[in-house]
Amino acid sequence: AQSVSQHNHHVILSEAASLELGCNYSYGGTVNLFWYVQYPGQHLQLLLKYFSGDPLVKGIKGFEAEFIKSKFSFNLRKPSVQWSDTAEYFCAVNGAGGGADGLTFGKGTHLIIQP
Amino acid sequence: EPEVTQTPSHQVTQMGQEVILRCVPISNHLYFYWYRQILGQKVEFLVSFYNNEISEKSEIFDDQFSVERPDGSNFTLKIRSTKLEDSAMYFCASSEASGGYYNEQFFGPGTRLTVL
Repeated sequence: AQSVSQHNHHVILSEAASLELGCNYSYGGTVNLFWYVQYPGQHLQLLLKYFSGDPLVKGIKGFEAEFIKSKFSFNLRKPSVQWSDTAEYFCAVNGAGGGADGLTFGKGTHLIIQP
Repeated sequence: EPEVTQTPSHQVTQMGQEVILRCVPISNHLYFYWYRQILGQKVEFLVSFYNNEISEKSEIFDDQFSVERPDGSNFTLKIRSTKLEDSAMYFCASSEASGGYYNEQFFGPGTRLTVL
């Protein structure tokens, strides 16, 4: 069965610090990979996605993620965080084979940025 | 920008009662999904729906649950006889296509279901 593991459940950083959130997945096949963000009081929004091609993908608000197939990883990075990045971050995966494939989510990382 | 909407935002019900959660997906999307998130736990996939039938469902989606697209715009999740453990946030999502680049799922704001 597929699964997603996010290593850090709570992360506290100061503004301007660099961020890396870990995500590893287990899936028997070709995958699509996603990072979603949930700001306080808001719904899930897509930060970035990987379908194929360049394993380094860039998303909104300066976020990027690198797909390392050999490590089954899709870590999220941002070189300099801002207070407004305080949110819950979810890594998710589904199969790339087509069909209405549901997403498998990780447990999420609660990120707090201190001014 | 088009978005997925859900009603109600909060539903309180008594154990054993039936509830219907409503969603309006983005208008040109063809694939629809329901997820739930029990407080403090991960978001879990329940069911996907395409071409007026269930495409895929998880172990959670047992006989107590059903989905329907009663008209051209609404997508509903019915829980026939609610249990305490059904208390959760329920998210609806939709996507334009099933594979490749357009597989992005857009989420609604959620309905918080509280079963007493």
